[in-house]
Amino acid sequence: DVKVTQSSRYLVKRTGEKVFLECVQDMDHENMFWYRQDPGLGLRLIYFSYDVKMKEKGDIPEGYSVSREKKERFSLILESASTNQTSMYLCASSSLGGLEFFGPGTRLTVL
Amino acid sequence: ELKVEQNPLFLSMQEGKNYTIYCNYSTTSDRLYWYRQDPGKSLESLFVLLSNGAVKQEGRLMASLDTKARLSTLHITAAVHDLSATYFCAVDEAGGGADGLTFGKGTHLIIQP
Repeated sequence: DVKVTQSSRYLVKRTGEKVFLECVQDMDHENMFWYRQDPGLGLRLIYFSYDVKMKEKGDIPEGYSVSREKKERFSLILESASTNQTSMYLCASSSLGGLEFFGPGTRLTVL
Repeated sequence: ELKVEQNPLFLSMQEGKNYTIYCNYSTTSDRLYWYRQDPGKSLESLFVLLSNGAVKQEGRLMASLDTKARLSTLHITAAVHDLSATYFCAVDEAGGGADGLTFGKGTHLIIQP
């Protein structure tokens, strides 16, 4: 079974803090994605990566950055967290042309 | 810009009834996905539809894709309470799966016993 894990299920941070969200997949997938999910808005793509050290902006990249130093790991970074970044963050991975598998999600609250 | 619209966004129905959720999208694509999400949980893949006319069935759920009409449907037959969840459709515009998916806002389905 494909397994996508995220470092935290729940996270509470203060405005201005630097926040790291980690995602690891164990199926040697080329593609990895970060989405945020907000009530009434569905899922929106923040960043994605199709290879190590490669990254592409999704639909809402502002205020975020990413890092992919190893194939299995994709990190989402909030350089200076703000309250409007309070959300559920979902990581996903897929093989080339394959189905996206999602992690359990991290519910981030920024106070 | 690709837009994916689901209809309805909220649906309350009784057990035993049939209903259909619609997913319209605004650009040409022949890859469409349906996911299910239970409260507080992540997304679970239901169906992958990869060509015009594709139909997939699993239990009481059946999904179809009409790429010419840019429409996918998720049909629920003889609904049971366990199917209560939020259902999302998602479109892979680029077609290769590498550029991420564009999701609809989700259909929150409540099935009353």
